[in-house]
Amino acid sequence: DIQLTQSPTSLSSSVGDRVTITCRASQSVATYLNWYQHKTGKAPKLLIFGAVILQSGVPSRFSGSGSGTDFTLSISSLQPDDFATYYCQQTYNTPTFGQGTRLEI
Amino acid sequence: EVQLVESGGGLVQPGGSLRLSCAASGFTFDTNVMHWVRQIPGKGLEWISGMTWNSGGLGYADSVRGRFTISRDNVKKSLFLQMDRLRTEDTAVYYCAKGMGVGLVEDALDAWGQGTMVTVSS
Repeated sequence: DIQLTQSPTSLSSSVGDRVTITCRASQSVATYLNWYQHKTGKAPKLLIFGAVILQSGVPSRFSGSGSGTDFTLSISSLQPDDFATYYCQQTYNTPTFGQGTRLEI
Repeated sequence: EVQLVESGGGLVQPGGSLRLSCAASGFTFDTNVMHWVRQIPGKGLEWISGMTWNSGGLGYADSVRGRFTISRDNVKKSLFLQMDRLRTEDTAVYYCAKGMGVGLVEDALDAWGQGTMVTVSS
């Protein structure tokens, strides 16, 4: 299986900050890389698919980049609602998730 | 509005069985791939199984292959997960999720249920 490694695993930031989360794959996944936001007790939410495509309804402060093995999720100006755990997922072959990045105030 | 509602979770002893269900509405169920994903307490998300619209394609994570069986009923718009020979390490919240397309790969999960808790303990 393809392993995904996210960094950092936790991050403390403030409202208005710009943050970047990285995801590195153990082998190329082309652009079959997705990003999700998950809050405790809630359903996970798709933010970005195909590495760079913003899911409908997701605020434009979220953006994704990368291809091959190295990817990033950026949030341009943190809002209070953005504090959550973020996961990358590859679907190049048998789907796998990264270990998650917890974003805290 | 797309809705996915899981049910069937609960407490079961090691070695026991449980059948999860996911009721879908708000989209054309019989054209989408469907998946099960779990979150073990204190851990991250883990994809465990998926099935294409016509049940012709399916896959399992190594951790559940041979013990769990995915199925679907397109008439009833429902997805199922039969879990046998359960282990304590299967304790988790189990989510049903909808794929954007038709394949098990090269896709994304664009709608999720709220999850159902499965506890395996003696």
